[in-house]
Amino acid sequence: AQSVSQHNHHVILSEAASLELGCNYSYGGTVNLFWYVQYPGQHLQLLLKYFSGDPLVKGIKGFEAEFIKSKFSFNLRKPSVQWSDTAEYFCAVSPRGAGTASKLTFGTGTRLQVTL
Amino acid sequence: DTGVSQDPRHKITKRGQNVTFRCDPISEHNRLYWYRQTLGQGPEFLTYFQNEAQLEKSRLLSDRFSAERPKGSFSTLEIQRTEQGDSAMYLCASSSRTDTQYFGPGTRLTVL
Repeated sequence: AQSVSQHNHHVILSEAASLELGCNYSYGGTVNLFWYVQYPGQHLQLLLKYFSGDPLVKGIKGFEAEFIKSKFSFNLRKPSVQWSDTAEYFCAVSPRGAGTASKLTFGTGTRLQVTL
Repeated sequence: DTGVSQDPRHKITKRGQNVTFRCDPISEHNRLYWYRQTLGQGPEFLTYFQNEAQLEKSRLLSDRFSAERPKGSFSTLEIQRTEQGDSAMYLCASSSRTDTQYFGPGTRLTVL
């Protein structure tokens, strides 16, 4: 069974600070990787995804993530956060391959609070 | 709005009552998923449909839970004899063959 670990549960940053949120997964096969964001009062939205190819993927709103296969990691980064980035961030994985359900396994989430 | 929709958005019920939630996926998506999210946790997979076929169910889905997707369009999730531990946000997501899942706003269930 797959599992996802997000080690930072609550992060507080000042505007313009750089952000890195950790995500590690455990799975014996090939996976697709995702970061979802949930802004206050809104539903889960896809931030970015990695299926294959260039391990550095860019998403919306200036976010990027790097897949490091040897470390089973998919950390999320943003060079300069804004107050509007205040949200909860979820890392998720799904197994890849024919016949798989592609169900997502989520981490417990990281609450990001950006102060002015 | 062509996103995933869920109804109702909020449901308060008494313990022992039955409840039913509805999910309307993005129209061209043939895959539909149900997840449950409790406070401080990420969503947990409950069940998955490809078209009208229910292909996988989580162990979290006890006998009191049943899901259907007649005609491969909308889906319903029913919980019978609700318990306080069923209180959670129930999320629906849909996807096409690209495997990217798009989530609805969820139904928040409170069992008193």
